[in-house]
Order: sequence, then structure tokens, then C-alpha cells
Amino acid sequence: EVQLFQSGAEVKKPGESLKISCNVSGYNFPSNWIAWVRQMPGKGLEWMGIINPHDSYVSYSPSFRGQVTISVDKSIGSAFLQWSSLKASDTAIYYCARHSRVLTTRFIDYWGQGTLVTVSS
Amino acid sequence: QSVLTQPPSASGTPGQRVTISCSGSSSNIGSNTVNWFQQFPGTVPRLLIYTTDQRPSGVPERFSASKSGTSASLAISGLQSDDEANYYCGAWDDSLYGWVFGGGTSLTVL
Repeated sequence: EVQLFQSGAEVKKPGESLKISCNVSGYNFPSNWIAWVRQMPGKGLEWMGIINPHDSYVSYSPSFRGQVTISVDKSIGSAFLQWSSLKASDTAIYYCARHSRVLTTRFIDYWGQGTLVTVSS
Repeated sequence: QSVLTQPPSASGTPGQRVTISCSGSSSNIGSNTVNWFQQFPGTVPRLLIYTTDQRPSGVPERFSASKSGTSASLAISGLQSDDEANYYCGAWDDSLYGWVFGGGTSLTVL
């Protein structure tokens, strides 16, 4: 069974750093890209970036480039999302999601349970 | 401002058929397949439709979808009260080299 399990909720102060994780199981980790999606309170889904675990290639949304860093550790089947200096506006739920590709079609088929990040002084 | 455009709300009565539209451009819906996601408040989004019109196992046949040019639509027939949720369209964007989503449509069953 495919599962994406994310690290737990975080409460941080503005200016602090943070790294959250997404641990996958049930499939060959390098075979599927992993996307990160933000959902601010009461708002919709925003794509942040996507990483190819095979070679660590990352494509960032222009809205998030330079604001976050996406990485993977193939040896443990985990993807990461990190901030060097959090802002109050980073308060949101962050989802990792498995991106699948079959020939020319792409879809997001599995989601992590989400990590709530609260940034408050 | 979302890249894909959806109506913010939709409604229907039990048993009715409702449709939700999703408008994009040539770099996303116009050249790639469309996905639809269902999200109940406080829960994780769930894949409802992939490859424009395919349902994952477990998704009722009441849910169907289609695409024409740079627009797509989700149809829910035989509306039920537990269909009340937020619905998002999503597609790969070749120019962005990433995903784009609609702003979401909140469906109310009257």
C-alpha cells in the first residue's frame, strides 16, 4: 500500500528555521516525483515545487523560489521542505504528494496527511 | 490568483446534476490532462478524476469529467448530501514545469 507519512505539527517564531519531512512506503521511491503543496487557512491548494528523487532535480513555483528548499534523501525514502527564516505568512498546512506519470499523462495520486506549520511570535 | 479559474461556489438539491467548470490555457489544460480533487473541511485532498475522465477505484460513477480545448468540467449526478466538499481542478503546466490548480469550488447540497 502506498503511503506518504509527514512529520508532525510545528509551532515556530518568525525568523526561525524549519525542515519538515515526508516519508514514503509501498513503492519504489525514485520512480515517482514528489510535489509539495501549500494550503493556507481557509484557502485553496498552491503548488510550491516538485522534486525528482532519482536525480534530485527540483522545479520551483516562481512564488516559492528562493523562499523554500526542497530536497530528498533516497537512502531513507524521504523528501523534505525547509525554510531558513520563517514568516507569519508561512502559517499553513503543507502537503507532500506523489506525482505519477503514465506516457504523456500526469496526475497526483497519493497525498501525505499534511503538516500544520504555525508561525507566531 | 489561481492559474486555473473555477467558480467559487456551486449548489444543487439531492438527486440533481451539477457541473463545475475549470478554465485554463494552452500550456496547461490545452496540452495536458486534467485532474480533479475532492477535499472535505479538515481533511486531505483526494484524487477524484485523473487523465481528464478516469476515476480511481472507489470513486462512484456519479462523478464524471470532460475537457474541451482549454476548459474542463466535473459533473456530479444524483447529488447526495455527503458530496458537500471543496472541489479543485489541477493540471500540469508545460511553461511552468509544474502543477497549477484552480481556486476551488465549494459545493453545497441544499
